[in-house]
Amino acid sequence: EVQLVESGGGLVKPGGSLRLSCAASGFIFSNAWMNWVRQAPGKGLEWVGRVKSKTDGGTTDYAAPVKGRFTISRDDSKNTLDLQMNSLKSEDTAVYYCTRDPSSGDWGQGTLVTVSS
Amino acid sequence: DIQMTQSPSSLSASVGDRVTITCRASQGISNYLAWFQQKPGKAPKSLIYATSRLQSGVPSRFSGSGSGTEFTLTISSLQPEDFATYYCQQYNSYPYTFGQGTELEIK
Repeated sequence: EVQLVESGGGLVKPGGSLRLSCAASGFIFSNAWMNWVRQAPGKGLEWVGRVKSKTDGGTTDYAAPVKGRFTISRDDSKNTLDLQMNSLKSEDTAVYYCTRDPSSGDWGQGTLVTVSS
Repeated sequence: DIQMTQSPSSLSASVGDRVTITCRASQGISNYLAWFQQKPGKAPKSLIYATSRLQSGVPSRFSGSGSGTEFTLTISSLQPEDFATYYCQQYNSYPYTFGQGTELEIK
């Protein structure tokens, strides 16, 4: 059974940093392209970014609102996906989901990040 | 960026109804279109990928079609558990983008 379990969410002040993690199991993580998607309270879904598998180059792409502030990384030895979030703004408040590529369709349960003073 | 526009934004229907939700892309996305269902307080669930391919375990009353810029999600006979919000997503090019969602409510 595929499992994606996010952790690391919490309350952080504007301008602060937070690191989210996603623990993956039930599939060959090293082969997977992985994404982060977020959902602000009461709003729709917003794609945050993606990291390719290392065999496909391991490159990352980001949505414009987070580019330069967020960094996605992966550790294939630990089957984990990370999202380093710096210079956080109130508009980054959201539930953050770890997901596999759309053809696989697997999502984690999400972790809430609240940016507030 | 490719803009995804869903219609309608909300829809009231009854159990047993056939419903269709449309998703239009601002430019061609080949068949790289997925549909998700989300219930309140829950993570989205993947229903369809590559326009028309059902994820494992998804009931056959769900179907998807389309190509290029216009796509549809059809539920052939609504069941009580289908009342939820539905999102489309294009994954043809970065940034991947979602539609704004369609809230399907019980009439």
